[in-house]
Amino acid sequence: DAKTTQPPSMDCAEGRAANLPCNHSTISGNEYVYWYRQIHSQGPQYIIHGLKNNETNEMASLIITEDRKSSTLILPHATLRDTAVYYCIVRHYGQNFVFGPGTRLSVLP
Amino acid sequence: EAQVTQNPRYLITVTGKKLTVTCSQNMNHEYMSWYRQDPGLGLRQIYYSMNVEVTDKGDVPEGYKVSRKEKRNFPLILESPSPNQTSLYFCASSRSLAGVSDTQYFGPGTRLTVL
Repeated sequence: DAKTTQPPSMDCAEGRAANLPCNHSTISGNEYVYWYRQIHSQGPQYIIHGLKNNETNEMASLIITEDRKSSTLILPHATLRDTAVYYCIVRHYGQNFVFGPGTRLSVLP
Repeated sequence: EAQVTQNPRYLITVTGKKLTVTCSQNMNHEYMSWYRQDPGLGLRQIYYSMNVEVTDKGDVPEGYKVSRKEKRNFPLILESPSPNQTSLYFCASSRSLAGVSDTQYFGPGTRLTVL
């Protein structure tokens, strides 16, 4: 079973930051938080992952709360091409990835 | 270009007619996996392989077979397809499952319809 809870859908205005929340209140100390996205019916695409420090790459930023029970994926300047389903996954190394239903982000013009 | 390829991309077949969906990766990855995606059910893992000749069942293995004779290929076999196997199938690979930074690369998907 997925260990995360995400809102089923969100809207964001084009050019604004998209902040996608994820709740993982039962996360254990050695489990990482991963984010993937799936544009339309394409294969999911890796975005970012982290353990407890905030992370940033060319695609997004990941903010993990100090107690690690929740996190936020930030797309700083959302474009129409960011419209997708975003999956938050909690995983220990060595485990398979388990995808939940994710959040359907709609970026609106 | 690093990629995971799947063939065919679209397939319409009839009940009981054996079929194989091929998956190939050019990244020398040890780990490969098959998922199916159905509306409202998300991505569910069918089978996975940690390395050559090592395969294991995922969450929904019934009705499927796999083999891993070579590192780069991981075909999905439906010996006797049924309509409930109509789905969108994805193959994925990663360097291994052990590393925290070993993220998965997904293929483009195969849309299968079983009549």
